Amino acid sequence: NAGVTQTPKFQVLKTGQSMTLQCAQDMNHEYMSWYRQDPGMGLRLIHYSVGAGITDQGEVPNGYNVSRSTTEDFPLRLLSAAPSQTSVYFCATRAGVGEQFFGPGTRLTVL
Amino acid sequence: GDSVTQMEGPVTLSEEAFLTINCTYTATGYPSLFWYVQYPGEGLQLLLKATKADDKGSNKGFEATYRKETTSFHLEKGSVQVSDSAVYFCAEDTGTASKLTFGTGTRLQVTL
Repeated sequence: NAGVTQTPKFQVLKTGQSMTLQCAQDMNHEYMSWYRQDPGMGLRLIHYSVGAGITDQGEVPNGYNVSRSTTEDFPLRLLSAAPSQTSVYFCATRAGVGEQFFGPGTRLTVL
Repeated sequence: GDSVTQMEGPVTLSEEAFLTINCTYTATGYPSLFWYVQYPGEGLQLLLKATKADDKGSNKGFEATYRKETTSFHLEKGSVQVSDSAVYFCAEDTGTASKLTFGTGTRLQVTL
């Protein structure tokens, strides 16, 4: 039982490049979320999904796209990376109202 | 919107000292409240939770009581260890799909 997995663990991009951060879970949870963590700002919600085929914006969605074609996967796409997107990104899942389970994170640097 | 406020860090304590990290929330009604811990280089993991007023969550010697009258959920531990050094996040959940609101985190450093 792997829980929540994220790839890659580290990534360096140049401004304007695109990439996809992968998130997968094997807990059969309906809810999945993406957060970014920045110093002094805690975790901020980027996008979330309440089930396959359903996504919605969080607090800081600009510059990011998501899709949810399966229960297991919830990729986060950066279409044109900017230095302001340098951050640590966490994927999380939950079964309902209650505990969220977090992945190990992806540390992204945009030059 | 809803917000969670927790004390600024870093907090530096000697081993076996008493720990308090303050947390207050703004959500109306009866949100569920959580403390998460993040060890260096890792994701967040749940430390404890409380889902209704006057509930006390506890785990690994840490505890926090849900105080509706003061909208607070302060984290306490009677005797900290070096292994408790980490960043602690308070969070509230109002039940709005999948959304937790986090505080900014408090870094705890415990020294021998």
